[in-house]
Amino acid sequence: GDSVTQMEGPVTLSEEAFLTINCTYTATGYPSLFWYVQYPGEGLQLLLKATKADDKGSNKGFEATYRKETTSFHLEKGSVQVSDSAVYFCALTQQGGGNKLTFGTGTQLKVEL
Amino acid sequence: DAGITQSPRHKVTETGTPVTLRCHQTENHRYMYWYRQDPGHGLRLIHYSYGVKDTDKGEVSDGYSVSRSKTEDFLLTLESATSSQTSVYFCAISEEQIEAFFGQGTRLTVV
Repeated sequence: GDSVTQMEGPVTLSEEAFLTINCTYTATGYPSLFWYVQYPGEGLQLLLKATKADDKGSNKGFEATYRKETTSFHLEKGSVQVSDSAVYFCALTQQGGGNKLTFGTGTQLKVEL
Repeated sequence: DAGITQSPRHKVTETGTPVTLRCHQTENHRYMYWYRQDPGHGLRLIHYSYGVKDTDKGEVSDGYSVSRSKTEDFLLTLESATSSQTSVYFCAISEEQIEAFFGQGTRLTVV
């Protein structure tokens, strides 16, 4: 079955540091890929998405590129802020599959001053 | 924000008791889902619905049942709660070609 693997956390960075959170997937066909973010005590919010190979999703300074050759969708941000502290989930869904999401285990990010 | 309301937001119950969690949406989306979130596992799909009275099992459906008698409501029932069902439960909704929106979650503790 489909699966998503993302880097273990927690990740602790200083404000304005560069962020990379690795995500790789195993899936048949051509899944759509997502990054969701969960702030403390809240539900998940969509951060960005990409629906086909070589697409780049971007939002709020975060970016991720759908790399089919390496089955990866790494999340990057050039300069993190304290307000980016949250848990980040990589996920995929199959077309025609009722939009059921398969999630990675999540990566906690803590940004310090 | 998408109109999704989960109730209750917090619940403590005893082992062996039945528990029902409710998800209510005001978006008229076709698909509704129940996930559970546990440390080290991310979110895992329990059950989902693709229409009124149309439901199917997810990855971790044992011990859970669901019902959807109206488009806007999706109920998750634990027939006899166990400690392994202590978790945070999230409802989500979506439509074709539209990403999933999540509720605020229900924290369930089984003692």
